[in-house]
Amino acid sequence: QVQLQESGPGLVKPSETLSLTCTVSGGSISTYYWSWIRQSPGKGLEWIGYVFHSGSTSYNPSLKSRVTMSVDTSKNHFSLKLSSVTAADTAVYYCARSLGLYSRFDYWGQGTPVTVSS
Amino acid sequence: DIVMTQSPDSLAVSLGERATINCKSSQSVLYSSNNKNYLAWYQQKPGQPPKLLIYWASTRESGVPDRFSGSGSGTDFTLTISSLQAEDVALYHCQQYYTPPYTFGQGTKLEIK
Repeated sequence: QVQLQESGPGLVKPSETLSLTCTVSGGSISTYYWSWIRQSPGKGLEWIGYVFHSGSTSYNPSLKSRVTMSVDTSKNHFSLKLSSVTAADTAVYYCARSLGLYSRFDYWGQGTPVTVSS
Repeated sequence: DIVMTQSPDSLAVSLGERATINCKSSQSVLYSSNNKNYLAWYQQKPGQPPKLLIYWASTRESGVPDRFSGSGSGTDFTLTISSLQAEDVALYHCQQYYTPPYTFGQGTKLEIK
């Protein structure tokens, strides 16, 4: 059974960089697409972007200028960096797996709350 | 971006009754070459991540009870729970994976009447 676990600071100061890691267990990070998705309080889900095991990426244009994703196949984990954060970036951040480029999200992490505040 | 709009925003249904949630996309998510609708439904309970229920608009994920069904094509889709159980109280989301950026509906909150 594939499991995903997010980790990273729960509090980030405005203008700084949010950094999260998602560790995959019970399966290889190779072959699949790995996404970050967030959910702001009282709002819907927002896809941030994906990274493929090869390292290729695709980002949501609304966040593209501030997002960097990477993958480390040796550690079976992938990462998100979101720069110049503001209060609007406060959300629960989820990592998720999809089987292909145009595919549903079949496995999700439990989510990690991140608050942007000084 | 493809905008996904769900209706209603919230819904209260009696136990054992049918619940119906609608999802409309701003453009078709039907890929003509394979005749598949790139549309998924998720269930999210408080404090939990979304759980995949339905993909390709009407295919149930393994382990999902058969009281959950999906229908529709093109731009209009429906999630139906044939006989509401107490454990079905949740927030339900539709999502298109036809083209990035992948987008979700705003969510529909389902409660017991």
